[in-house]
Amino acid sequence: GAVVSQHPSRVICKSGTSVKIECRSLDFQATTMFWYRQFPKKSLMLMATSNEGSKATYEQGVEKDKFLINHASLTLSTLTVTSAHPEDSSFYICSARPVEGERETQYFGPGTRLLVL
Amino acid sequence: GQNIDQPTEMTATEGAIVQINCTYQTSGFNGLFWYQQHAGEAPTFLSYNVLDGLEEKGRFSSFLSRSKGYSYLLLKELQMKDSASYLCAVTSGTYKYIFGTGTRLKVLA
Repeated sequence: GAVVSQHPSRVICKSGTSVKIECRSLDFQATTMFWYRQFPKKSLMLMATSNEGSKATYEQGVEKDKFLINHASLTLSTLTVTSAHPEDSSFYICSARPVEGERETQYFGPGTRLLVL
Repeated sequence: GQNIDQPTEMTATEGAIVQINCTYQTSGFNGLFWYQQHAGEAPTFLSYNVLDGLEEKGRFSSFLSRSKGYSYLLLKELQMKDSASYLCAVTSGTYKYIFGTGTRLKVLA
């Protein structure tokens, strides 16, 4: 149980285009989903907290207009990187916190590797 | 401020025991997590400590001392597949994780 999927797993795009990444909790409902960014050999940096039906909460220094988050249901959150630039190239990971059970625990998706040319 | 420290890298030999330390200074504390992450993959859950003491799960154990702001992850009978990054994360009331810097463990034959 507690499986989180992300799609796509890898994406290459041209500078200036927008990229949408989906995060789904497959076998549980998630009150909250989180979006992280990870640079090579570094730890995870929280970008934003996404709650179903409400606006996302962004961490300091993260541009909300650049990283659009939509949490349409208890099993789906999307992150759209708008007008992507090469410096946005990174590994993006989502996680989901279950409604039931161990509510402190987050389950992570497999990540999406974004390369902006 | 929020600060969570781990050693950057560690090396150990197959079959040995290794202890990865994590010290934290956070405004509030709900619990401490350990995750394992192989390169290019998602972190996978290893353990969760809320109360002081040792939690054992097979070859992995995790210890917490809240008064000292200290935790460690103990890996026994090391295997090559244990080569990975180990991430310590603290929650402090908002369900958000504050991640440590991560420790890259290399297991040598």
